[in-house]
Amino acid sequence: EVQLVESGGGLVKPGSSLKLSCVASGFTFSSYGMHWIRQAPKKGLEWIALIYYDSSNKYYADSVKGRFTISRDNSKNTLYLEMNSLRSEDTAMYYCAKYAGSDYFDYWGQGVMVTVSS
Amino acid sequence: DIQMTQSPASLSASLEEIVTITCQASQDIGNWLAWYQQKPGKSPQLLIYDATSLADGVPSRFSGSRSGTQYSLKISRLQVEDIGSYYCQQAHSNPNTFGAGTKLELK
Repeated sequence: EVQLVESGGGLVKPGSSLKLSCVASGFTFSSYGMHWIRQAPKKGLEWIALIYYDSSNKYYADSVKGRFTISRDNSKNTLYLEMNSLRSEDTAMYYCAKYAGSDYFDYWGQGVMVTVSS
Repeated sequence: DIQMTQSPASLSASLEEIVTITCQASQDIGNWLAWYQQKPGKSPQLLIYDATSLADGVPSRFSGSRSGTQYSLKISRLQVEDIGSYYCQQAHSNPNTFGAGTKLELK
């Protein structure tokens, strides 16, 4: 059974940093690209980052480019999202999601909440 | 970026009713379109991909169609467990973009 479990969220002040983790199981993690997608409270979904299976390519939404970094450790079956210079508009539930081919997302984690507030 | 205009924003329907949700792409995306269901308090789940293909385990009352740059999700006979929000997503080009969502409630 595919499982994706996020952690690392919390309440932080504007300008702070935070690093999210997503531990994967139930599939060959090193063979699949992975995404981060977020959802602000009562809002829709926003794709924010993609990393290829071998970390050879990384892509970001303009809203987080230069502030967020996606990475992975295939030896630990773990995906990361390092978030710097956090803003109030980054407040959201953050989901990791498995690449299903053609940039669809076939498995999602349960999400981790990040709140940026003074 | 490709814009996905989803309608309606909310929808109230009765059990066993036919429900249709649409998404209009701002440019040609071919069949690179997915639909997701998000039940209250849960993460989204893939329902349809490539505009018309049913994801594994999804009931056959769900179907997707395409007419040009307009895409539709149809629920043939609404069930209680179908209540939640629905999102379209284009996978034609980066950045992947989602529709604003449709909140489906029971009448």
